[in-house]
Amino acid sequence: AQSVTQLGSHVSVSEGALVLLRCNYSSSVPPYLFWYVQYPNQGLQLLLKYTSAATLVKGINGFEAEFKKSETSFHLTKPSAHMSDAAEYFCAVSVQGAQKLVFGQGTRLTINP
Amino acid sequence: EADIYQTPRYLVIGTGKKITLECSQTMGHDKMYWYQQDPGMELHLIHYSYGVNSTEKGDLSSESTVSRIRTEHFPLTLESARPSHTSQYLCASSELGTGGETQYFGPGTRLLVL
Repeated sequence: AQSVTQLGSHVSVSEGALVLLRCNYSSSVPPYLFWYVQYPNQGLQLLLKYTSAATLVKGINGFEAEFKKSETSFHLTKPSAHMSDAAEYFCAVSVQGAQKLVFGQGTRLTINP
Repeated sequence: EADIYQTPRYLVIGTGKKITLECSQTMGHDKMYWYQQDPGMELHLIHYSYGVNSTEKGDLSSESTVSRIRTEHFPLTLESARPSHTSQYLCASSELGTGGETQYFGPGTRLLVL
């Protein structure tokens, strides 16, 4: 079975600082990995996904994530935080043949002015 | 932008009432999903469907039921609402594939049972 662990339920950074949200996965077969963002009172929106092509994946809003098989990680980064990045971020994993996504617990990102 | 809709967005209802949460999508997706999400918590899959007349239970046991009579429509019903059903319910859809498909989410329904 697959699983995802997001390290840090709450991350706070200053505007303009680097954003780093950590995600580690567990899977016995090659995974598909996703990052979603959820703004208050809204559904989830896909930021980016890894499907075994390039290990560095670029997404929307300046976010990117790097798949590191040796570390079983898929951390999300953004070089310079913006106030509008404040939201809940979810990492999720799936595998070929699976019929569902398994989500992590979520990380709430707060941006300080 | 994903074309998946949920109504109502907010619902406050008394214990024992029957409720139906509506979800519809205009993308022609075969797969649809219902998730339950408590505030600040992860999403738990409660139901999914591969297509018309297909429904499956998810990982989290739920007293709700679903139906899939039309491709675009996947309503969720609670026959007798209880305070323990208070939560946010998110609907999603995706293409039918091998596992790497993007799920598109609706805006959610926040349910409060008094």
